[in-house]
Amino acid sequence: QSVLTQPPSVSGAPGQRVTISCTGSSSNIGAGYEVHWYQQLPGTAPKLLIHGNSNRPSGVPDRFSGSKSGTSASLAIIGLQAEDEADYYCQSYDSSLSGDVFGTGTKVTVL
Amino acid sequence: EVQLVQSGAEVKKPGESLKISCKGSGYSFTSNWIGWVRQMPGKGLEWMGIIFPGDSDTRYSPSFQGQVTMSADKSISTAYLQWSSLKASDTAVYYCARLSSASLDFWGQGTLVTVSS
Repeated sequence: QSVLTQPPSVSGAPGQRVTISCTGSSSNIGAGYEVHWYQQLPGTAPKLLIHGNSNRPSGVPDRFSGSKSGTSASLAIIGLQAEDEADYYCQSYDSSLSGDVFGTGTKVTVL
Repeated sequence: EVQLVQSGAEVKKPGESLKISCKGSGYSFTSNWIGWVRQMPGKGLEWMGIIFPGDSDTRYSPSFQGQVTMSADKSISTAYLQWSSLKASDTAVYYCARLSSASLDFWGQGTLVTVSS
């Protein structure tokens, strides 16, 4: 079981706003380590969506945004689209493990 | 253009050995760590560890320490992941990815490893 916990699933209608939480602890997110987010479309390799808590790589639509507060981080999708249906993972460093970890993953369903 | 191209799918029997590869291009291969990630069937991503091709320094996740070996040949810009004795539970897709500022910014296409008697 990962030290970063995400809800198994979230859903929303097209155009709605959804958020995905990534809950950690004082040895990872709460210690100040950055959080990164990945999108994995069905049958494909993951893709970097957000790095350094809130930065979008070139080419990522601005309807994806990331934030971090305390021992948690969040990914928001504003204006949900059918093509956003995918699995989403957070990632951060954990000092107790002396290495990086992924979150448990969240499946986003567009209703 | 940064690319990581992985070797093809493998079907192996329990107890056999295996080495899969990840060839980088479009950037200085010795300047970035390469990470390896496991995804078991229908499951999430698992961080296996990282290797720095410049000097082959490796950092294994505790769950994978002693289970796999990471290596690299900087002369051909290729990183490797190997097993000495496969188990059925090693069946998974394995991804390599470039580590940049603590995130994995470019990914290989994945290598499916199937271990079955």
